[in-house]
Amino acid sequence: NAGVMQNPRHLVRRRGQEARLRCSPMKGHSHVYWYRQLPEEGLKFMVYLQKENIIDESGMPKERFSAEFPKEGPSILRIQQVVRGDSAAYFCASSPLKNPNTEAFFGQGTRLTVV
Amino acid sequence: AQTVTQSQPEMSVQEAETVTLSCTYDTSESNYYLFWYKQPPSRQMILVIRQEAYKQQNATENRFSVNFQKAAKSFSLKISDSQLGDTAMYFCAFMKQRGAQKLVFGQGTRLTINP
Repeated sequence: NAGVMQNPRHLVRRRGQEARLRCSPMKGHSHVYWYRQLPEEGLKFMVYLQKENIIDESGMPKERFSAEFPKEGPSILRIQQVVRGDSAAYFCASSPLKNPNTEAFFGQGTRLTVV
Repeated sequence: AQTVTQSQPEMSVQEAETVTLSCTYDTSESNYYLFWYKQPPSRQMILVIRQEAYKQQNATENRFSVNFQKAAKSFSLKISDSQLGDTAMYFCAFMKQRGAQKLVFGQGTRLTINP
């Protein structure tokens, strides 16, 4: 049973380009969470999705950022027109149910560098 | 809103010593969960230990134990017989029992175990 898979591990984009980060949850998991980690800081919640639904996007910037979790395929975090301040590590976590007794499993993150 | 504070940016101890990492949090919730995560240089987020707020007994996992003081809103992590492999960033995190299973993280403590 593979863990949470994120790709790419490293992504370099020039200012103004688009960044697409992918997250494949663990098998059987239908809940996905995205977090952002700026250098030397803790992780900050961005968005919570279930299949085909955004449940909570309270931590996501209103502009340029979007997320989806389609019926088939991985969850995608999309950042349009990237700026230097978007440089960070982006982590995805998945869990099987809306059940706090169940551990959320993290992927290894995608490090985005905007040059 | 919940906040989590880790007041020790860095700590360093000798191998085999015991070290305690501090964490305080602020919440108006009565039922919640607290976590300690370890982030080694690989960036993988690894769950170290979890505490349910309704349990008075402190959680223990091998060399890792917590001192949970609910009234004081304090949740410290004790690592006994520290090993070189314990070198990592450690993050304290909070999660409400009800609602989305999203984590609120502290800023982290960088722990170095010296040989």
